[in-house]
Amino acid sequence: EAQVTQNPRYLITVTGKKLTVTCSQNMNHEYMSWYRQDPGLGLRQIYYSMNVEVTDKGDVPEGYKVSRKEKRNFPLILESPSPNQTSLYFCASSRTGDSGNTIYFGEGSWLTVV
Amino acid sequence: AQSVTQLGSHVSVSEGALVLLRCNYSSSVPPYLFWYVQYPNQGLQLLLKYTSAATLVKGINGFEAEFKKSETSFHLTKPSAHMSDAAEYFCAVSWRGGPGGFKTIFGAGTRLFVKA
Repeated sequence: EAQVTQNPRYLITVTGKKLTVTCSQNMNHEYMSWYRQDPGLGLRQIYYSMNVEVTDKGDVPEGYKVSRKEKRNFPLILESPSPNQTSLYFCASSRTGDSGNTIYFGEGSWLTVV
Repeated sequence: AQSVTQLGSHVSVSEGALVLLRCNYSSSVPPYLFWYVQYPNQGLQLLLKYTSAATLVKGINGFEAEFKKSETSFHLTKPSAHMSDAAEYFCAVSWRGGPGGFKTIFGAGTRLFVKA
């Protein structure tokens, strides 16, 4: 089954404590990205990756890091989380080369920073 | 610059009634347009997409949308709402270009409530 899997699904952490949200896809997609979803703002892209070792900033990258060492994995790193990073996060993947490609999403990770 | 606007953050309909969710876009290049649906505690999944073929696009669960270039709209409709349609719906526009090869932006979302 085609899947994007992210973990953890729910996390409460304290300000400044580094955390990583993992993401893995089994569709051999080149393109992966992270979004955050906030009420009234829809989804905003944090970072994306065109392929292994190729990453770039999206629209709201401040406070986040990513890496793409393997094609299937794209972890999101919060080095020093702050309360304004409390949000619902989605990992997504798609094929590249065509802007009509469907984006596949993980089930989301609820992050609360206190 | 590209943008997408969904009119109405909340829409409430009775079961069996017409569902109409509005989406307007702005794009300086030919766009691809999508509707995604998000059920509670789940990620977004594709409902339908327009990729420059037929302007009337049919999707899953009886939904359809019509691309109207003159009105820059891509409204989502379903003739008869079902309780299971209660979810949040996102309109998205995608286009070729940018450092990432393509770019997709999402509307703010419309939450659909279905009353028994």
